[in-house]
Order: sequence, then C-alpha cells, then structure tokens
Amino acid sequence: DGGITQSPKYLFRKEGQNVTLSCEQNLNHDAMYWYRQDPGQGLRLIYYSQIVNDFQKGDIAEGYSVSREKKESFPLTVTSAQKNPTAFYLCASSISRGRFTGELFFGEGSRLTVL
Amino acid sequence: AQSVTQLGSHVSVSEGALVLLRCNYSSSVPPYLFWYVQYPNQGLQLLLKYTTGATLVKGINGFEAEFKKSETSFHLTKPSAHMSDAAEYFCAVSRPPGGSARQLTFGSGTQLTVLP
Repeated sequence: DGGITQSPKYLFRKEGQNVTLSCEQNLNHDAMYWYRQDPGQGLRLIYYSQIVNDFQKGDIAEGYSVSREKKESFPLTVTSAQKNPTAFYLCASSISRGRFTGELFFGEGSRLTVL
Repeated sequence: AQSVTQLGSHVSVSEGALVLLRCNYSSSVPPYLFWYVQYPNQGLQLLLKYTTGATLVKGINGFEAEFKKSETSFHLTKPSAHMSDAAEYFCAVSRPPGGSARQLTFGSGTQLTVLP
C-alpha cells in the first residue's frame, strides 16, 4: 500500500542534542512537508520541498534543518538551537505544484520529548 | 492573507446526537476549504473539501459541510454521532489551485468527544 512512513514514533532527547526524524513516501508525490503540532495551536509549517534538491522555509523554520536528496525521502533534523522542541511532528506529501488541490497525505507522526 | 477560526476547542455530544463543528474563514480570494480528522496519535486525513460548484459537500463517515459565502463559514455536520467519531477535527483554507500547501492555513482544531 502507498503511504508515508515516519520513524521513530517516539523519541526522547537530552538538551543540546540534535535528532533526525525520518520521513519516506512511496506515493510518487513531488512535494513534501514538515509540520509541528502543539496542543491548541493547530499545525504550523516548518519546511517544505516541491522538488528534489530544493526546499523552502515555512513559518517556524528556526532551529530545524532538512534535506531532499531523493524524491521519496525528506528527513527533518531538530537542532540544539530549537528552544522548545518537545512536540508532535507530522510529515506530509502532496501532488506537485500547479496541480495542488489542498489534499495532503500525512504520516502517523513522531513525538519528540526533550528531557 | 487568510485565516481560519474554529469556534470551540472542545465539543461533547451524546451518541446518536447531531454533530456540529464550526469553522469561519477569511480570504481575499474565493477559497478552497477543507476538513481534516485526526485520531489519537495519528496523522491527519482528509474528511471532505470544497473547491467549486455545489456548496454542500459530502465526505467520508457520513460527514458533510456547507460553504456559505455570505457568512464566510464552512461548518461540519453529521446527523448522528458514533463513538468512533471521537477525534480532533481541523478546518483549513487554501488559495485556489496552482500553489502548494504553503498556501494552506489550518485552524487550531476542535476536539470532539462522544458520550455513551
């Protein structure tokens, strides 16, 4: 079945450590996105990529980094510069720019807790 | 600029009762409107969407929503709640096609509880 796989589902980190969240899709979608979800705040866009080897900052990119070396993969690194990294992180994908209909396909999320 | 307001962060209904989740939007251009549902510890999935045409749209699991331009609303309804409907629901607005999810704005969500 086609879909988006995020790993790990749960992750604990000590302050000062960088962590990388994995996101893989087999939907053949060009565009991929990372969102952060905090209680009562909806979803906030961190980074997005519309094509391989290109990505753009979203609304809350500070303290995060991404890469897009393959169409199927869009890993997110939460760096030690992120002041409040404890959150639920969601990866999503969509059909390519120019044909976007508003439908995003989401992974099951990764819950990061900083100890 | 566009924005979405979901009235009521928590809504409780009895099983079998009407479900009404409210969403109001602002947009400088005719919007595309969406409802997504999120079950505990999972990602979101599309429930229904309005793009153009018929203003009453039907989605999965018996939900429907009506686009009312004069009221700038897109409320979500279901005639009879089921225990399995307990989840968080997000309204979202987007500018018309040609863009990407960069133009998609989510509301803050409404947690629906269904009481036995």
